[in-house]
Formats: sequence, C-alpha cells, structure tokens
Amino acid sequence: NAGVTQTPKFRILKIGQSMTLQCAQDMNHNYMYWYRQDPGMGLKLIYYSVGAGITDKGEVPNGYNVSRSTTEDFPLRLELAAPSQTSVYFCASSYDAYEQYFGPGTRLTVT
Amino acid sequence: AQSVTQLGSHVSVSEGALVLLRCNYSSSVPPYLFWYVQYPNQGLQLLLKYTTGATLVKGINGFEAEFKKSETSFHLTKPSAHMSDAAEYFCTFRGGYNKLIFGAGTRLAVHP
Repeated sequence: NAGVTQTPKFRILKIGQSMTLQCAQDMNHNYMYWYRQDPGMGLKLIYYSVGAGITDKGEVPNGYNVSRSTTEDFPLRLELAAPSQTSVYFCASSYDAYEQYFGPGTRLTVT
Repeated sequence: AQSVTQLGSHVSVSEGALVLLRCNYSSSVPPYLFWYVQYPNQGLQLLLKYTTGATLVKGINGFEAEFKKSETSFHLTKPSAHMSDAAEYFCTFRGGYNKLIFGAGTRLAVHP
C-alpha cells in the first residue's frame, strides 16, 4: 500500500494564482482531512470529508475549496492565492476519524 | 470549550535521560487522547492513543503516556532518550464528531 500520497511536494505561487493540491489514499478510508501547519501553531483543520460526496468546513476554510467524488481522492483547491496561505499542507485519512494517517505534505509559498 | 495545551514548545534532554512532554486538556465529554510524532520533513504518525480502559498506554519506540482524569493530563514519557527521538510531538484529542484538535507541538532535542 502506498498509504496517503500528496502532490506536488513543493510549489511557489504568485499572488492571485490558483492551484489544486492533490491527495489520494489506497486504504479505503471514508474519512479524509486537509490541514495546514504553520510554525508554532500546530495543525489547523481546513476541510474534511466523511465519505464520497460529503465535505464540511474545518477551522480555517476561507480561501479554499474541496471536492470528494471518489473514496480515494480529496483534492484541495486554492483560489486567488494570498501570502497568508504560505504554509505546509497535510492530507490525512482515517477509518475511524481519530487514528489518522498522514501524507508527506506539500510546502507552498505564495509571493 | 474544548482545548489541549502542551507545556513547553521546546524540550532538550541528554541522550539516555528521561523524556517528559506535558499535555493538559479541557473537554466536556470523555476524551480520546493521542500523541502524534513528526520527524523532520515528514508527515505525522501515531505514537499512541487512549480511548477507554487502561489509563497507562504504551506506544511505539518505547514511549508511554498516562491518562489522569483528576489532573486532566496525558503526559508522554520515555525512560531513556535516543538521538532518533528528536522530533516534534503533538498532543491531540477528539474535538467533536469526526475531528481531532491538535496542540501547538513540542519540539524535542536530544544531545549526545
């Protein structure tokens, strides 16, 4: 099993550009999550999904969108990138919502 | 309000010394508590968890944690630190339906 995979690993965006962060898991988990990690701030939940076709906002959803058309994939869309979105983004999946398996992360810089 | 507080953003120990990372929580429901570890430039991985039952839980790599309801604590310990334990550790708990709430993290440094 590959577990949770994320692409790209690194990306530099200009202010106002858009992009999609890809996340896929091969563990047949229903629960999937997107977090951002800023230094000294722990992880903040952006969006989550409890199954295909179902998504919900987390703590910091503004400026982001998600979709969940399949169990395996949970892409995160950034519209009109801003410097405040410079962060490391982690995708995670879980079979029970609590024991979560994390991807390696995407380091995003917006300049 | 539900929250988790990690005491000390940085902890430094000598190799072979006791590791103690402190975590306190505030929850209106019986807590599920977790410790996750993040090695440099990697994602997080589960170290150990407490849901119900035995209050002393053992995890990977020789770590353990004790749930103390009276103290609302879930401190992480390891009797003897190893250089490979250098990482960031996150205390985490169930923060409502289907979600986890993460502490701010404690960065552990291990010196020879």
